[in-house]
Amino acid sequence: DAGVTQSPTHLIKTRGQQVTLRCSPKSGHDTVSWYQQALGQGPQFIFQYYEEEERQRGNFPDRFSGHQFPNYSSELNVNALLLGDSALYLCASSLGGELFFGEGSRLTVL
Amino acid sequence: AQSVAQPEDQVNVAEGNPLTVKCTYSVSGNPYLFWYVQYPNRGLQFLLKYITGDNLVKGSYGFEAEFNKSQTSFHLKKPSALVSDSALYFCAVRESGGFKTIFGAGTRLFVKA
Repeated sequence: DAGVTQSPTHLIKTRGQQVTLRCSPKSGHDTVSWYQQALGQGPQFIFQYYEEEERQRGNFPDRFSGHQFPNYSSELNVNALLLGDSALYLCASSLGGELFFGEGSRLTVL
Repeated sequence: AQSVAQPEDQVNVAEGNPLTVKCTYSVSGNPYLFWYVQYPNRGLQFLLKYITGDNLVKGSYGFEAEFNKSQTSFHLKKPSALVSDSALYFCAVRESGGFKTIFGAGTRLFVKA
């Protein structure tokens, strides 16, 4: 049984560019949450998707958007990248209980 | 608004000694409480959770945590630390009926041989 998978694992972008990160949830999980983890900090909640809708959102600007597909997989899009967007982006899936995390996508913005 | 505090940036303990990593929380209503562990350049791994029932919760790798409602705490414990326990530990909380899980800033545990 595959766990949560994320792609790409590493990527480098320049300021102003756009990025799309992808996540496949653990088999049977219908809820996907995205987190941003800056170096030396705890994960910060970006948003959660359930039944293809954004169910709750954290304190992130509209440059951060997402999508959930009928197979429960999800994408995180970030537009107009800033240097401060450099972080580890974590996807987590759940069935309402504990979160199961992927290995993350490390984004570096130059 | 819900929040989590981990008052110690780092905890040092000798192998074989007991360890405690502290966590306090603030949430409206009844909390769902969690502990996760993170190894370098990896995602977070679930250790244990408290939803309801016994205040002492047992989890993976010999870890346990004690829920204290009056002190709004959920400290992580292990009777005998291993060098391999060295990692970054995160406490997290979610309001019952809520959707988002909020994480603390993390506590780095060093276990010395």
